[in-house]
Amino acid sequence: NAGVMQNPRHLVRRRGQEARLRCSPMKGHSHVYWYRQLPEEGLKFMVYLQKENIIDESGMPKERFSAEFPKEGPSILRIQQVVRGDSAAYFCASSPPSGQLYGYTFGSGTRLTVV
Amino acid sequence: GENVEQHPSTLSVQEGDSAVIKCTYSDSASNYFPWYKQELGKGPQLIIDIRSNVGEKKDQRIAVTLNKTAKHFSLHITETQPEDSAVYFCAARTGGFKTIFGAGTRLFVKA
Repeated sequence: NAGVMQNPRHLVRRRGQEARLRCSPMKGHSHVYWYRQLPEEGLKFMVYLQKENIIDESGMPKERFSAEFPKEGPSILRIQQVVRGDSAAYFCASSPPSGQLYGYTFGSGTRLTVV
Repeated sequence: GENVEQHPSTLSVQEGDSAVIKCTYSDSASNYFPWYKQELGKGPQLIIDIRSNVGEKKDQRIAVTLNKTAKHFSLHITETQPEDSAVYFCAARTGGFKTIFGAGTRLFVKA
């Protein structure tokens, strides 16, 4: 079991470009969560998805950010027209469908640097 | 919505001593409280959790306690070792699947 796979590990984008972050959940996990971590700070909830559905996007900025989890393939977090303030580590986590009282499994994160 | 506060932000202990990290939560409906350890350059890893129907749980050198009345929960690490040095996050979950994290505690264990 490969765990939660995130790619790329590091991503450098110029201001105004688009960033695409990918997350493949653990086998058997159908719930995916994205969190953002600024340097020396905690984990901030962004969005919670199930296959083909966004369940809770209350932590995601209304503009430039979007997320999807298609029927086939990984979950994608997309940031359009990136700005310096988007520089952060973005972590994806997954949990099984019955996992209301179980912890998440996190990936190793994607470190986005906007130059 | 849920809010989780965590203290201290930094904790330095001598190898072999105990370390205690404390958290409070705001939503009395929260029913699941996991703790995560994050090492440099890695994702958080679940180390122990406790559910709201339990007051205490222990796993080797790690224990968690929960006081539902006061809405406090704590992580206790005994006989600390240098490899325990990391950032520790408490978290709380209310009902559904969304988890809110504390700001983290950076633990230094001095050899």
